[in-house]
Amino acid sequence: NAGVTQTPKFQVLKTGQSMTLQCAQDMNHEYMSWYRQDPGMGLRLIHYSVGAGITDQGEVPNGYNVSRSTTEDFPLRLLSAAPSQTSVYFCASSYSAGQGTYNEQFFGPGTRLTVL
Amino acid sequence: AQRVTQPEKLLSVFKGAPVELKCNYSYSGSPELFWYVQYSRQRLQLLLRHISRESIKGFTADLNKGETSFHLKKPFAQEEDSAMYYCALGRGFQKLVFGTGTRLLVSP
Repeated sequence: NAGVTQTPKFQVLKTGQSMTLQCAQDMNHEYMSWYRQDPGMGLRLIHYSVGAGITDQGEVPNGYNVSRSTTEDFPLRLLSAAPSQTSVYFCASSYSAGQGTYNEQFFGPGTRLTVL
Repeated sequence: AQRVTQPEKLLSVFKGAPVELKCNYSYSGSPELFWYVQYSRQRLQLLLRHISRESIKGFTADLNKGETSFHLKKPFAQEEDSAMYYCALGRGFQKLVFGTGTRLLVSP
């Protein structure tokens, strides 16, 4: 199993450009999420999905869109990149759990994005 | 608001010394807490969770509800323990709130 894969590993954008960060998992996990990691701020949840066709916002959703058409894929779209979106982006997946219970989340290797 | 605080950005110890990485949380309900670790050039991965009450790689963490803490401890640090450690709090339906992380550096 490849686990959680992310592409690209590195990306440089100019302000105003758009792009999609790809995330895929082969573990048949229902839950998938996107985090951004910034120095001194830890990981912050951007968007998440509890299954195909279902997405919701996390702590810092502004400037990002997501969709979940299949169980395996959960792309993150930046519609108009801004320097404030310079960060390392992590995708994670896990089996879903009921309210108040949690399963281990498996993380991808990350995408380092720079917006000039 | 749910919040996780890791007061130390960097903790530097010598091999064989005890280690304690601090984590405090704010949460009104019954918390579920985790420690995730990221070794150099590796992915973020789960180290342990409080409900398991187990020791992983010699690390333990006890939930203290009175002090709202979940400190990570190891009696004798090893060089391979050097990594970034994140404390995380569950906030419903698999969502996690992470602390800012502590870098542990174990010197020979």
